[in-house]
Amino acid sequence: KNEVEQSPQNLTAQEGEFITINCSYSVGISALHWLQQHPGGGIVSLFMLSSGKKKHGRLIATINIQEKHSSLHITASHPRDSAVYICAVTRGDSGTYKYIFGTGTRLKVLA
Amino acid sequence: GAGVSQTPSNKVTEKGKYVELRCDPISGHTALYWYRQSLGQGPEFLIYFQGTGAADDSGLPNDRFFAVRPEGSVSTLKIQRTERGDSAVYLCASSRTGYGAQFFGPGTRLTVL
Repeated sequence: KNEVEQSPQNLTAQEGEFITINCSYSVGISALHWLQQHPGGGIVSLFMLSSGKKKHGRLIATINIQEKHSSLHITASHPRDSAVYICAVTRGDSGTYKYIFGTGTRLKVLA
Repeated sequence: GAGVSQTPSNKVTEKGKYVELRCDPISGHTALYWYRQSLGQGPEFLIYFQGTGAADDSGLPNDRFFAVRPEGSVSTLKIQRTERGDSAVYLCASSRTGYGAQFFGPGTRLTVL
C-alpha cells in the first residue's frame, strides 16, 4: 500500500463546478504539499500545510492531522485549471525532507 | 534565471551508454533533491544533498546511479550502463534549507533505446 493515496485518479468537470481532490497518508508527517503539474511542464508548489486551512485565490487546501487526510478544493473551476494535481508529504521521523508523492489526480475542466 | 534549470531537456541514448544530467538550483538554496517520474506515476525520490554532501541517497535504485554536488550548487546525476527501464523524466528540486517548499526544475526526459 502506498504511503500517500489520492482520489480520484481522474476527474472531468464542467467549467464553474466546485472540485475536490482527496489525499490520505499513512505515516507521521511534518508537512503536506499540494502541487500542480501541467502536461509537458514542471511542477509548481501550491500549498504547504502542517495544520488547518490555507486559501489562495480560488484554491483552498485543508488538512486533518488526526484523520491523516487532506483535501484540495477548486472553486469556480476554469479550463486553465486542467492539470495533474499531486499530493506529497514530508515525514516527521526522518532527517531529510524528501517528498513522498501520491500518484496524482488528472483534472480536466471542460468549457 | 530565477528558477531551477535542468539540462538537457531531452536525452536519447542507447542501452549500455553513460549519461549525465545537470541541475542548476536557485542561487542560495542549500538543499537539492533528485526525483524520477515514470509515465503516469508520481515522482520517486532518488537522492538529497545538503550543501556538498549527500545526506540521503536511499532512493538510488542501484550502483549504476551516482550524483555529485562538488561546490554545493550545481549537481550532476550520472547513470552508467543505461537500461531501458531507466527511461523516465528526471526532476531536480531545491529549497532554501532542508525544510520548506521545494522548487522544481522542468525535468530531463531520458529515453533509453
